[in-house]
Amino acid sequence: DQQVKQNSPSLSVQEGRISILNCDYTNSMFDYFLWYKKYPAEGPTFLISISSIKDKNEDGRFTVFLNKSAKHLSLHIVPSQPGDSAVYFCAASDEGNDMRFGAGTRLTVKP
Amino acid sequence: DAGVIQSPRHEVTEMGQEVTLRCKPISGHNSLFWYRQTMMRGLELLIYFNNNVPIDDSGMPEDRFSAKMPNASFSTLKIQPSEPRDSAVYFCASSVQQLAKNIQYFGAGTRLSVL
Repeated sequence: DQQVKQNSPSLSVQEGRISILNCDYTNSMFDYFLWYKKYPAEGPTFLISISSIKDKNEDGRFTVFLNKSAKHLSLHIVPSQPGDSAVYFCAASDEGNDMRFGAGTRLTVKP
Repeated sequence: DAGVIQSPRHEVTEMGQEVTLRCKPISGHNSLFWYRQTMMRGLELLIYFNNNVPIDDSGMPEDRFSAKMPNASFSTLKIQPSEPRDSAVYFCASSVQQLAKNIQYFGAGTRLSVL
């Protein structure tokens, strides 16, 4: 049962443009959401997070938006850079300590 | 800070053999997680420990899989006997429970190939 879904396995954008990665979840108990970035042959690394009490969190070029009513969150990267090319995982957790991940979206930023 | 250390990085074995994956969490972290990454299902949580105690092992595929955490600095994931469908990348992650809520730090993973 996939509680966190990333329906786009891949995304390609031009350098300098906006990248938008989407994520949907089904468990209404989730109250904390994260995005991880993964390069080949490395483990995922934490990128940005958002609590359910907020609807937006910004960190430099990265912004995460949360729409609780739609159970949807998105990651915006502006402007996109070739170094952003990686697999991005959406993750969610509730009051417990475990976390559920989506299947990932492979972002390719073309120079 | 050495981060989460996993060994081996690559493991190739034959069907039916026992496989043991190892993980050393970040010092001071009291939660440890084992994940499996496949193309079809992405990152699946297999099991996690708090203070060396297994909390949720509902993600462990079947009885062939077992995990232990004998102390705060070491954990193993064992597959016995291994099967070709177990081929995947296995990640270990650790975190400090209740601090910087639920940010997990991952190791580089073990790529397992069962022939």
